[in-house]
Amino acid sequence: KAGVTQTPRYLIKTRGQQVTLSCSPISGHRSVSWYQQTPGQGLQFLFEYFSETQRNKGNFPGRFSGRQFSNSRSEMNVSTLELGDSALYLCASSLGAGWTGNTIYFGEGSWLTVV
Amino acid sequence: GQQLNQSPQSMFIQEGEDVSMNCTSSSIFNTWLWYKQDPGEGPVLLIALYKAGELTSNGRLTAQFGITRKDSFLNISASIPSDVGIYFCAGPIQGAQKLVFGQGTRLTINP
Repeated sequence: KAGVTQTPRYLIKTRGQQVTLSCSPISGHRSVSWYQQTPGQGLQFLFEYFSETQRNKGNFPGRFSGRQFSNSRSEMNVSTLELGDSALYLCASSLGAGWTGNTIYFGEGSWLTVV
Repeated sequence: GQQLNQSPQSMFIQEGEDVSMNCTSSSIFNTWLWYKQDPGEGPVLLIALYKAGELTSNGRLTAQFGITRKDSFLNISASIPSDVGIYFCAGPIQGAQKLVFGQGTRLTINP
């Protein structure tokens, strides 16, 4: 079955702009979470969605937001981009909410460069 | 918050050598996960450990869940070129699909 699909794979934005990244989870998976990966900070949790509801949020400013649709697809948005937002944004999907031991699968990520 | 300390940060080895890396935490985890990330790709799950003391293998990879539930190690035997990449340990926050990751171990193999 198809894996986690993220679009776009690469994008370049200018400071002050906003960006929307998309994630389609594995078919049947209802939980989607987002991570930011940078060389300095490593992999950091952004937020988790289940059944269109945000269940957990990481320690990021309000410029970072997300949502989940009824088909479990998710989007994240970053407004007023800063240079430090340049990172690989990873989406992960799993069957259910909460930690039940379900395997978490990651997409290939969206590379965002802010100039 | 909970943090995972992973070591070593990088390793340079010869093909055929065995590799060992570990992860420690100041907090207890009920699950330990080991992921590998290739350049430009997302992390791929290698091994999941669910029980203290558990020793699990996946081909040439072996991982153990520490008895104290505060540490885990990953061994790779007889390394091959495709083992190159960054290895991460991770643990879930209780009751959430939120993972905390170690800083990663970058493995480089000289042929």
